[in-house]
Amino acid sequence: QVQLVQSGAEVKKPGSSVKVSCKASGGTFSSYAISWVRQAPGQGLEWMGGIIPIFGTANYAQKFQGRVTITTDESTSTAYMELSSLRSEDTAVYYCARSVGLPVRWYFDLWGRGTLVTVSS
Amino acid sequence: EIVLTQSPGTLSLSPGERATLSCRASQSVSSSYLAWYQQKPGQAPRLLIYGASSRATGIPDRFSGSGSGTDFTLTISRLEPEDFAVYYCQQYGSSPPGTFGQGTKVEIK
Repeated sequence: QVQLVQSGAEVKKPGSSVKVSCKASGGTFSSYAISWVRQAPGQGLEWMGGIIPIFGTANYAQKFQGRVTITTDESTSTAYMELSSLRSEDTAVYYCARSVGLPVRWYFDLWGRGTLVTVSS
Repeated sequence: EIVLTQSPGTLSLSPGERATLSCRASQSVSSSYLAWYQQKPGQAPRLLIYGASSRATGIPDRFSGSGSGTDFTLTISRLEPEDFAVYYCQQYGSSPPGTFGQGTKVEIK
C-alpha cells in the first residue's frame, strides 16, 4: 500500500531555509493532493498548505504566505516543502499528508512519520 | 476562519468505559465536513472519522462520530488500552481546510 516517506531531521540556523521531502511509495502519486501540517513541541496541528500534483498549483495558509513553498516532482513521486526565514518558533515536526476531498476542502487520510526541524543558533 | 473548540481538555477514564469527546465550531461546518484524528506520543495522527460519521478504513466500530452544524461528537463505546491518546477534530468545509481543534487527551484513570 502507499506510504509517505519523509526526509530526516534537520537543524537550522535562524534566518536560513529548510526543505523537507515526502516520497510516495507503493501507489499512485498524482491522484491525490499532498498537504503539509506542522506540530510544535507539545502543541496542536497546524495546516501550512497543500498541492495537487497534476495541477501543480499550491494553496497556502495565510500565516505562511510568502515564507513557504510547496512543490512536487511527479517523476519521483516526491513532494517538497520549503520554509524560509526560519525562526525559533518554527521548531516543530513537519508532516506530509495525503489530502482527500474537493480542492482545498481536504481531510488527511495518510500521513508521513514526520520530520523534526530544529531552529537554533 | 472557523475556530474549533474541543472539550474537555483531558478525559480521565478506565478501560471499558465510554468516552464522549466534543468539538464545537464557531460557525456552521459546511456539509458536515468534519474529521477526527487520533495521535499517540511520537506518532503521526491517524484518521478515524470523516464526513462527521464515516469511519476510515480499518477503524474499529467502537469509534463513532455524530453531529452537524456547529456541534460534533466522537464516541468511543468501550475504551481499549490502545485508545488512550490525544484526539483532534478538523473541519474541511471551508478554506483554510486545515482548521484543527486544540485536542482532547484521553488518559487512564
